[in-house]
Amino acid sequence: SQQGEEDPQALSIQEGENATMNCSYKTSINNLQWYRQNSGRGLVHLILIRSNEREKHSGRLRVTLDTSKKSSSLLITASRAADTASYFCATDFTGNQFYFGTGTSLTVIP
Amino acid sequence: EAGVVQSPRYKIIEKKQPVAFWCNPISGHNTLYWYRQNLGQGPELLIRYENEEAVDDSQLPKDRFSAERLKGVDSTLKIQPAELGDSAVYLCASMSGSRYNEQFFGPGTRLTVL
Repeated sequence: SQQGEEDPQALSIQEGENATMNCSYKTSINNLQWYRQNSGRGLVHLILIRSNEREKHSGRLRVTLDTSKKSSSLLITASRAADTASYFCATDFTGNQFYFGTGTSLTVIP
Repeated sequence: EAGVVQSPRYKIIEKKQPVAFWCNPISGHNTLYWYRQNLGQGPELLIRYENEEAVDDSQLPKDRFSAERLKGVDSTLKIQPAELGDSAVYLCASMSGSRYNEQFFGPGTRLTVL
């Protein structure tokens, strides 16, 4: 399968703590994206990192990419209850064709 | 700017019945995707369109699924006949023609096959 795999499958933290989730994949990529999905809703794009980039920031989000290990991590700092959602990585191997992982379910406890 | 529109939002049908889902992408977006998302899983690509051309439909179960994108704008995904295992959320996404760009997702259609 070309899908990425997120780790952990589920994560529960207290509000204000940091949340880290990881994504591993199997073949070389053009870029990797992270998406958020609230319960019963569509996916929302969070951040894109290209294969020649190692780290990107967007607000409270920090994404790293290690192409040698074929892995990426998403860090959410100072978490809020509104961050409760499922988070997916999507890898682009062939150009505009995305393969999603199984997701990490994040619960932020107020 | 309006987002990706999908209808219906929910559909309940008996097995062996046909069903169709409709998607209106963001204006000007050349690329359109249909995904299926099973409960607790990530979206799985069914088909990708570049304008009106289906450029990858390798994951589409062609014995019962069909899709079209007339005039390169709206798209319809059809299942005939539906099976119990088709119960899932069907997501449509669109993207502009640029590389390294983000997909915009619709809210999805939740299909329940009884």
